[in-house]
Amino acid sequence: EPEVTQTPSHQVTQMGQEVILRCVPISNHLYFYWYRQILGQKVEFLVSFYNNEISEKSEIFDDQFSVERPDGSNFTLKIRSTKLEDSAMYFCASRGAGELFFGEGSRLTVL
Amino acid sequence: AQRVTQPEKLLSVFKGAPVELKCNYSYSGSPELFWYVQYSRQRLQLLLRHISRESIKGFTADLNKGETSFHLKKPFAQEEDSAMYYCASFLYNTDKLIFGTGTRLQVFP
Repeated sequence: EPEVTQTPSHQVTQMGQEVILRCVPISNHLYFYWYRQILGQKVEFLVSFYNNEISEKSEIFDDQFSVERPDGSNFTLKIRSTKLEDSAMYFCASRGAGELFFGEGSRLTVL
Repeated sequence: AQRVTQPEKLLSVFKGAPVELKCNYSYSGSPELFWYVQYSRQRLQLLLRHISRESIKGFTADLNKGETSFHLKKPFAQEEDSAMYYCASFLYNTDKLIFGTGTRLQVFP
């Protein structure tokens, strides 16, 4: 069964550093998403992406965040200058047949 | 605003007991409602969606538009049902799936 895959599974970085989280969505899906989950809190919507454009973003998704589909398979989330409060689990998802399929997540720890 | 409320953070039951995980949504439109499950250290997985009206792993959920609820039920809980359960609402016009805060279900032997 096809799956959404994410790398890295865990990344530790220093405050102020740039981080890129990578996702490979399911191959025939056209809609892509990023979510985050701070430890002990709810899963929060960050951004949705379709046809090489952001279709919707939350207030969390400020100028420090960007998304890109650099080639036909990857979908990336970049955080330009990480803050301590960016420490969270980041989930990628892609949508097909009305259902969102999630990756296993990338844990980001900002020191 | 699109919002999903799960009032219980934790629900503990014994094996064989009935389970009901509550979910209320608030939106004047017609969202599509889902239940996702997250077993320990695993990814979020779709459990069921209101339009399919299926029963998965013995779980059912009925959309009640009058009460804006989509409660998840199972008549006899099993230990392997222990997990985090998230109710979620999707709107096609915003392309956004919004989650509730989740309910942890613990099923004791």
